[in-house]
Amino acid sequence: GAGVSQSPSNKVTEKGKDVELRCDPISGHTALYWYRQSLGQGLEFLIYFQGNSAPDKSGLPSDRFSAERTGGSVSTLTIQRTQQEDSAVYLCASSLQGALAKNIQYFGAGTRLSVL
Amino acid sequence: DQQVKQNSPSLSVQEGRISILNCDYTNSMFDYFLWYKKYPAEGPTFLISISSIKDKNEDGRFTVFLNKSAKHLSLHIVPSQPGDSAVYFCAASGWNTGNQFYFGTGTSLTVIP
Repeated sequence: GAGVSQSPSNKVTEKGKDVELRCDPISGHTALYWYRQSLGQGLEFLIYFQGNSAPDKSGLPSDRFSAERTGGSVSTLTIQRTQQEDSAVYLCASSLQGALAKNIQYFGAGTRLSVL
Repeated sequence: DQQVKQNSPSLSVQEGRISILNCDYTNSMFDYFLWYKKYPAEGPTFLISISSIKDKNEDGRFTVFLNKSAKHLSLHIVPSQPGDSAVYFCAASGWNTGNQFYFGTGTSLTVIP
């Protein structure tokens, strides 16, 4: 498909385990964003990639969270030693360029993470 | 620090009537605003945007109004249709916000047939 793809769509894990969430952006999009939406909250910015580099990691809530992007394409968000408060929907978005270029973001359907 | 606020978590409107969704922001440096629509189990999809050089942008049944002095924008949907039932998010960015968009908490719109 031509859209942003995220996997898995749902993930249930036990507290303390590590999880990896994957995002396949739209081909040719250089900018990639990760957001988190907790129950009853708005979209919380986590991290932004331009190509493979992450100039803005300001939204990562703790050092348990990390992300990488390889080949200017696929990105992985890793949460180590998951906690119950990490339960949320994790959304990935991509755009041709970053927000400074007034580019529209295209979102994936998200990964719903449940930490038991 | 919620820089973009949607104070109405939900709104119900009769089919055919106007829906007005509101959004307030605090950062006077925001210069680009967007509305996204989100259906359950789907990601948000772009609906309409407006630059701060304008005070109105229209696209079919959707119009966004921007009041910079009040730091307020609104989305008007007219006439409202049942398929418009979704959660609507406003988002903003500015020259001093890097490449980050700030999103509101969303307003859930229900259009009653």
